[in-house]
Amino acid sequence: SAVISQKPSRDICQRGTSLTIQCQVDSQVTMMFWYRQQPGQSLTLIATANQGSEATYESGFVIDKFPISRPNLTFSTLTVSNMSPEDSSIYLCSHDRDRDTEAFFGQGTRLTVV
Amino acid sequence: LAKTTQPISMDSYEGQEVNITCSHNNIATNDYITWYQQFPSQGPRFIIQGYKTKVTNEVASLFIPADRKSSTLSLPRVSLSDTAVYYCLVGAGNMLTFGGGTRLMVKP
Repeated sequence: SAVISQKPSRDICQRGTSLTIQCQVDSQVTMMFWYRQQPGQSLTLIATANQGSEATYESGFVIDKFPISRPNLTFSTLTVSNMSPEDSSIYLCSHDRDRDTEAFFGQGTRLTVV
Repeated sequence: LAKTTQPISMDSYEGQEVNITCSHNNIATNDYITWYQQFPSQGPRFIIQGYKTKVTNEVASLFIPADRKSSTLSLPRVSLSDTAVYYCLVGAGNMLTFGGGTRLMVKP
């Protein structure tokens, strides 16, 4: 099965600071995705990250707040910038191994902003 | 992307069959129906996917009527470890739009 590793698994951060979350996939994939899951809520897509191009952001999410890097076909980062307590959520990355059938998710990064 | 409607929560007992129905009235011709399971502190995990009629794998069955405006995930003989949130997704391609999900509680 596909393996996605996210780091860190959790963090507690001071407001106004930034945190970069890393996502490593065990094989090359074209598209990677970043989601946010607020406490007790469902998942919301933040952006789609393709290698070699700028990420595509969903409505309500902007690059200045959530810059994304995709330097190669197995790795991506999401930065949560200038954090506030409202950013406290679980952030998850996923990929689909270039198939439509099944998406694979990392275990998520639980972020608490104090 | 088609919107989905599921019950917010369901309770069941060990050994019972659980059926979770999802409504997706504006499903498009190219859309597939996919179900994911999520445990606390974990990412969602793929359960099953179908387009029409019935699909069965080692963990679940998916029933889709001819009009495809709804679907039913069937979990045979649930155990305590099946307690999780179950998401019904409708769409085509790679981007996933999650609805509210159904929180299933399996009791002893």
